[in-house]
Amino acid sequence: AQTVTQSQPEMSVQEAETVTLSCTYDTSESDYYLFWYKQPPSRQMILVIRQEAYKQQNATENRFSVNFQKAAKSFSLKISDSQLGDAAMYFCAFTEYGNKLVFGAGTILRVKS
Amino acid sequence: DTGVSQNPRHKITKRGQNVTFRCDPISEHNRLYWYRQTLGQGPEFLTYFQNEAQLEKSRLLSDRFSAERPKGSFSTLEIQRTEQGDSAMYLCASSLQKQRVYEQYFGPGTRLTVT
Repeated sequence: AQTVTQSQPEMSVQEAETVTLSCTYDTSESDYYLFWYKQPPSRQMILVIRQEAYKQQNATENRFSVNFQKAAKSFSLKISDSQLGDAAMYFCAFTEYGNKLVFGAGTILRVKS
Repeated sequence: DTGVSQNPRHKITKRGQNVTFRCDPISEHNRLYWYRQTLGQGPEFLTYFQNEAQLEKSRLLSDRFSAERPKGSFSTLEIQRTEQGDSAMYLCASSLQKQRVYEQYFGPGTRLTVT
């Protein structure tokens, strides 16, 4: 069974600094997709970034980038120049071929001004 | 391009009552998913549709739960004889399956409270 583990229940970062959120996953498949979703308090889930397992290059979206280590089954999210609006719950998620998403338990990110 | 919408946004019901939630996906999205999220946890998969066909159901989906997607457009999730353990946020998501594009877009959710 696929599992996703986020070992950091909560993280804090100073505004304008960089923070990295960790995620590991377990699968026997070689072709799959990984995502980071952001869920602000009382607001809906927003896709932050995606990574295809067959691509070696790490995905980037503006201030967000990932470090994808396929052999280690690790998929961390780096947020640069953190902003107050980045404060949210962040979920790592996994899917094979667009079927169900399997989510981690989430990491609460707090941004200090 | 409107996003995924869900109604109602909040539902309070007494134990033993039936409730029904509705999800309207992004137009032309052929896949629709239901998830359940309890406080402080990640969403858990319940079921999904491709067009009108229900392709997978989680073991979490007991006999009291039923989902439909008539005509492959909106979907409904019904919970019969609600229990306090059914209290959660019910999330709907949709996606367009084409050429290895698998992002799911989520609605705002329906928060169910069973008293």
